[in-house]
Amino acid sequence: ETGVTQTPRHLVMGMTNKKSLKCEQHLGHNAMYWYKQSAKKPLELMFVYNFKEQTENNSVPSRFSPECPNSSHLFLHLHTLQPEDSALYLCASSQASGVSTDTQYFGPGTRLTVL
Amino acid sequence: AQSVTQPDIHITVSEGASLELRCNYSYGATPYLFWYVQSPGQGLQLLLKYFSGDTLVQGIKGFEAEFKRSQSSFNLRKPSVHWSDAAEYFCAVLTGANNLFFGTGTRLTVIP
Repeated sequence: ETGVTQTPRHLVMGMTNKKSLKCEQHLGHNAMYWYKQSAKKPLELMFVYNFKEQTENNSVPSRFSPECPNSSHLFLHLHTLQPEDSALYLCASSQASGVSTDTQYFGPGTRLTVL
Repeated sequence: AQSVTQPDIHITVSEGASLELRCNYSYGATPYLFWYVQSPGQGLQLLLKYFSGDTLVQGIKGFEAEFKRSQSSFNLRKPSVHWSDAAEYFCAVLTGANNLFFGTGTRLTVIP
């Protein structure tokens, strides 16, 4: 149903591990986003890429490192995370950030648990 | 600054009953407003959006929302709730910087 896929769907990692989250969109969009969803809090925008260029970094700690090799793929590289980083990480895409009536479409998310 | 308030954290309705989920926004310019639904363990699915024009917008799954500028509201409604509507519902406003700001969500429980 969704044109945005995310892998893995679930991830458990220790604080010293390095892992990556992957997002792929099949909608022909040019903008991609990473959000963090924690319990009882609004979705937090982390990063925005527009035409492969990072246009927003919402004061995210450097232990989160995004990568956007092309308009269809977005990665989130994780290293030395903390338990409070456990959350649902959602990827979204849109036609192009900067278009006034832009609509974002979301993937199913990766449930991350940091031990 | 922009913000979205969903005053109801949790709502319980009987199947077949009508539903209204409240959303109030604060944004200095013309708001672009969205409702998304999230089923357990899933991502967000777009229900409907308002950009301009008719203030009553129709969405998927029989949902509608009405934009009321005077009340800074964008409430979501459905005349008859189905058990499959149980989920969490998020209202969001799109800012001039093209960032979506979300409310904290309203969890809907449907009882038989």
